[in-house]
Amino acid sequence: AQSVTQLGSHVSVSEGALVLLRCNYSSSVPPYLFWYVQYPNQGLQLLLKYTSAATLVKGINGFEAEFKKSETSFHLTKPSAHMSDAAEYFCAVSDTNSGGYQKVTFGTGTKLQVIP
Amino acid sequence: GAGVSQSPSNKVTEKGKDVELRCDPISGHTALYWYRQSLGQGLEFLIYFQGNSAPDKSGLPSDRFSAERTGGSVSTLTIQRTQQEDSAVYLCASSRATIKGETQYFGPGTRLLVL
Repeated sequence: AQSVTQLGSHVSVSEGALVLLRCNYSSSVPPYLFWYVQYPNQGLQLLLKYTSAATLVKGINGFEAEFKKSETSFHLTKPSAHMSDAAEYFCAVSDTNSGGYQKVTFGTGTKLQVIP
Repeated sequence: GAGVSQSPSNKVTEKGKDVELRCDPISGHTALYWYRQSLGQGLEFLIYFQGNSAPDKSGLPSDRFSAERTGGSVSTLTIQRTQQEDSAVYLCASSRATIKGETQYFGPGTRLLVL
């Protein structure tokens, strides 16, 4: 069964500092991976996704993530944090279940706090 | 264009009452998903629709939970005889197709509080 693990339920960074949010996956087949962001009282919004093309994926708002098969990781980074980046971030893995439809499994989320 | 909408945005109910949560997906999206988001627990899959049929109901936590979708569009999640442990945010998402890697578009959620 596929799964994702997000290390750190809360991460704090100073404004302008590097953002690093960790995600490790477990999948029996080559995975498709997502990062979603959730702002307060809103639904989830896609930041970026990996679908077996380039291993370095660029997303919206200056975020990027690198797929590392050897480490089973898909960590999310941003060179310089902005106050508006404060939100909860979810890593997710997509697979096809026995019925042939997409099944997405989400991590437990990491809340990012940006300190001015 | 319009995104996924959900109503009500907030619902407070008393234990034992029934509630209905509504989801309007993006027009043309054939796949529709319901998730439950509890504090600190990520997203829990509840049910999936392809068109009007629900091939996978495995995530529904009990027989008090049911869902339907009509006209390949609007979906309703019903919780009967609500319990306090049902308190959570219920999120709906839709996607164009059900293939692996397809982006899901989420609604803002319904925050349910059972007193």
